[in-house]
This record gives sequence, structure tokens and C-alpha cells, in this order.
Amino acid sequence: KNEVEQSPQNLTAQEGEFITINCSYSVGISALHWLQQHPGGGIVSLFMLSSGKKKHGRLIATINIQEKHSSLHITASHPRDSAVYICAVIFGNEKLTFGTGTRLTIIP
Amino acid sequence: NAGVMQNPRHLVRRRGQEARLRCSPMKGHSHVYWYRQLPEEGLKFMVYLQKENIIDESGMPKERFSAEFPKEGPSILRIQQVVRGDSAAYFCASSPRRTSLAYNEQFFGPGTRLTVL
Repeated sequence: KNEVEQSPQNLTAQEGEFITINCSYSVGISALHWLQQHPGGGIVSLFMLSSGKKKHGRLIATINIQEKHSSLHITASHPRDSAVYICAVIFGNEKLTFGTGTRLTIIP
Repeated sequence: NAGVMQNPRHLVRRRGQEARLRCSPMKGHSHVYWYRQLPEEGLKFMVYLQKENIIDESGMPKERFSAEFPKEGPSILRIQQVVRGDSAAYFCASSPRRTSLAYNEQFFGPGTRLTVL
């Protein structure tokens, strides 16, 4: 069965802390998305990656194909980073399979 | 270049009515995906369409739900005889036509929040 697991489910941190959110999947994938969703809001694609590492501002995403694992890091976290972060993978066809999301709260 | 557009953003229907959700993909995109997010649940794939073709509808309920992506105009997700359990956020995403075997990134619309009374 193609599965995606995220951890932690909830994460609360102080402003300025380094944040790591993890995603593991069960079988080989074509690509992986990291998505951001604010409460009641739309979905923003932060990264799409199939290997290595990508960086955009304070956000860094890495993927280890052999380990079937990806991480999303946020440096110098800020209250506006508070959102749900969702890992979504492509298991070979076109449709995305989603993790359950990590609810991040950054306290000023 | 406008992003993926969805309308309406909010839709209220009474049980038994029909709901029509529209999705206009990004310019140049010919692939459309519909996803559903039930309250307090994760996102789930519903259907994948290309112009005038349904490619994968494995996530779509067998009854009352249908989707189309005509040659001209937006993609439509249609829910007939809505029930309270259809209340959810429905997201559309689009991607460009594949020119190679590589997977193309999907870009999401703002969603339509359907409430069934």
C-alpha cells in the first residue's frame, strides 16, 4: 500500500527556533511536494523535488531517495510561518498522495 | 500570468440540490486535478483530467459526482443531490502538458468551500 507519514502531527516552537518536519513514504516515488496551508486558506506549493536539496529563503527541503524520507526545515522561524505543512508524493502516476499534515505554531 | 482560479470560493447548498464547482487552470496548463479535504481530514485525490478526457477517476465517488474538462472553458466538478457529508473544501490543481517523462509540478487553486445545510 502506498503510504505517506508525517511527523510530528503538531509542533509548537518559539520565534527564532529552527524547525524540522519529517515525511516518510512506503515505496519509490517520482517526486515529492511540500505544501503550506493557512487556516481556512488555500494551498501553496513550497517545493517540488525528486532528489537532493532545495532552498528558498528561510525554507530548505531535502530528500533521501534510498531512505524514502524527506525533511522540511525552517530557519529563524516567525509567527507568520504558523500553518499546516503537508507532504505529498507521486507514486508513479500523476495523482498526489498526501500526508496528514503537521500543524506548526510559532509563538512570538 | 494568473494562477489557478476557482469559483465560487464559497458555496452553500441545501440537501438534494446540485453543486457546480469551476476550475480555470493556469495559462498553458492542460492537466487538471481535483482534490477534496473533508473537515479535520487530509487531502484526498478525486479525479485527473486532460482536455476532453478523464485520465483517472479512481478517487471519485461512484454516484452523484462527475467531472469534465471541455475543449473550451473551465473544468467543472458537479455534485448532484448533495448530502451533508459532501461539505468540504474542494481544491483544483493544474500542471502543464508533459513534454518528457518527467513529472510536472502541480499548482493549486484557492479552493471552493462547500457547505451543505
